Amino acid sequence: TQLLEQSPQFLSIQEGENLTVYCNSSSVFSSLQWYRQEPGEGPVLLVTVVTGGEVKKLKRLTFQFGDARKDSSLHITAAQPGDTGLYLCAGEGAAGNKLTFGGGTRVLVKP
Amino acid sequence: DVKVTQSSRYLVKRTGEKVFLECVQDMDHENMFWYRQDPGLGLRLIYFSYDVKMKEKGDIPEGYSVSREKKERFSLILESASTNQTSMYLCASSGYGIGAGELFFGEGSRLTVL
Repeated sequence: TQLLEQSPQFLSIQEGENLTVYCNSSSVFSSLQWYRQEPGEGPVLLVTVVTGGEVKKLKRLTFQFGDARKDSSLHITAAQPGDTGLYLCAGEGAAGNKLTFGGGTRVLVKP
Repeated sequence: DVKVTQSSRYLVKRTGEKVFLECVQDMDHENMFWYRQDPGLGLRLIYFSYDVKMKEKGDIPEGYSVSREKKERFSLILESASTNQTSMYLCASSGYGIGAGELFFGEGSRLTVL
């Protein structure tokens, strides 16, 4: 079973600060997805990265896929209370048959 | 709006009871999934289905079974609920190859087994 480790598990910051969430594995993934889950709801896809070294931006969120396709990071610039939620990374294995999820990072942005 | 609907948001059951969790999607997706979510463990795949009447075990299938009689409906069954099955259960669907593409999730069913 491929494992994905997310760090930190919990992050509490003030509005306007920056933050980075990491997703690491010893396995290679063919693609990696990032989801955000808000309380009482299911996860919603933010982005999919496919190519090693790829960087994608979604407004104040920047996603990077490691060159070796074993790790990824999510950076939020000038965080806002609306960014509060559980961030989950999920990797698709080389066989392409299912997603493996990380343990999640709970982010709290205080006004 | 695409939608995955789970039948119950909250359930409380007793040890040994049979539990049915139902999930319906309106996107005509081939693939459907059942995950359980526990703090710090992320989402763990219980079972998935890539076609009607087809099912595949995920990473933690023990104690669970599934049924997919119609394309839009995927049910998770706990034959004899145990306290260690207390969890949040999430259903998802996708229209791509298994594991590829975007997963659309329901709002979750929080099950407590006493």
